[in-house]
Amino acid sequence: DAKTTQPNSMESNEEEPVHLPCNHSTISGTDYIHWYRQLPSQGPEYVIHGLTSNVNNRMASLAIAEDRKSSTLILHRATLRDAAVYYCIFHTGNQFYFGTGTSLTVIP
Amino acid sequence: EPEVTQTPSHQVTQMGQEVILRCVPISNHLYFYWYRQILGQKVEFLVSFYNNEISEKSEIFDDQFSVERPDGSNFTLKIRSTKLEDSAMYFCASRGRRMNTEAFFGQGTRLTVV
Repeated sequence: DAKTTQPNSMESNEEEPVHLPCNHSTISGTDYIHWYRQLPSQGPEYVIHGLTSNVNNRMASLAIAEDRKSSTLILHRATLRDAAVYYCIFHTGNQFYFGTGTSLTVIP
Repeated sequence: EPEVTQTPSHQVTQMGQEVILRCVPISNHLYFYWYRQILGQKVEFLVSFYNNEISEKSEIFDDQFSVERPDGSNFTLKIRSTKLEDSAMYFCASRGRRMNTEAFFGQGTRLTVV
């Protein structure tokens, strides 16, 4: 069973970088690593995904360990609107496996 | 920007009644999913659907649940006889053809069983 492990919660000061870690030691070679976030009372929103190489987009960066057993989502400058639950997810075959997520609090 | 839409946003039903939750996936997407989230808990997988058949389903998706793509645009989740523990947010998602694509989630339907 594919599983991810994330800290339950993290805090960050506004306008500072945030590094959200995820362990996924059971990942297989073809599983993509996705990150989604969920604001209160909303559906999960795509943030970024990758397979082996580090990835950047307008929202965030994704750093994937060489052995692929862990990854880190990097928000370069946290804003108050980034306060959400962040999920590290496997995409494997027919489903996206959600973990319990990290609740990010951004302090003004 | 294309989006997944779900209706209704909130449904209240009596225990034992049938409910149908509706979803309109993004038009050129081929893979469809239902997830649920009980209040305060994590997002749980229910079922995935491709090429007009179920690809995978979880233990939660028992005989009381069914999915259908009746007209090539809608994607529905039916719960035949609702129980109190079915109260949750239900999210529909869809993704495109290639494996390396993200899923787009709808805003959810809040189902309350009384």
